[in-house]
Amino acid sequence: AQSVTQPDIHITVSEGASLELRCNYSYGATPYLFWYVQSPGQGLQLLLKYFSGDTLVQGIKGFEAEFKRSQSSFNLRKPSVHWSDAAEYFCAVGASRGGGADGLTFGKGTHLIIQP
Amino acid sequence: DTGVSQDPRHKITKRGQNVTFRCDPISEHNRLYWYRQTLGQGPEFLTYFQNEAQLEKSRLLSDRFSAERPKGSFSTLEIQRTEQGDSAMYLCACKTERLTDTQYFGPGTRLTVL
Repeated sequence: AQSVTQPDIHITVSEGASLELRCNYSYGATPYLFWYVQSPGQGLQLLLKYFSGDTLVQGIKGFEAEFKRSQSSFNLRKPSVHWSDAAEYFCAVGASRGGGADGLTFGKGTHLIIQP
Repeated sequence: DTGVSQDPRHKITKRGQNVTFRCDPISEHNRLYWYRQTLGQGPEFLTYFQNEAQLEKSRLLSDRFSAERPKGSFSTLEIQRTEQGDSAMYLCACKTERLTDTQYFGPGTRLTVL
């Protein structure tokens, strides 16, 4: 069975500073990886996804993530955060593209706080 | 707005009552998923439909939980004899058959069991 670990429950970053959110996964085959963001009162919004190919993927809102098979990681990065980036971020792994029959397995999330 | 709607957005009920939630997916998205999200946790997969067929239901939390998608369009999730531990956000998601598509999530229904 797959699993996802997000080691940081909370992260505080100053506005304009760079950001890296960590995600480690466990899965016996090629993983399909996702980052979602959830703002208060909002649904989950997809930031980016990795299925295959280039291990550095670009997403919306200036986010990118790098798949590192050797480290079983899929860390999310942004060079300069904005106050509007404050939200909950979830890493997820799928057993097949788009989740398939098993749905997605999510990490517990990282709560991002932006300091002015 | 992802185009996935859920109703109601909030539900407060007393322990022991039955509740039903509805999800209206994006039209032509034939795959539909239900998740539960408790406070401080990520969403937890519950069940999955392809059109009207429920292809995965072993993850439903107990036999008090059931889901339907009778015509392959909207879906309902029912919880019978609610317990305080059922208090959570219930999320619906949908996707197409396309390989590169992803799951689009609704805003969720927040259930509070008193």
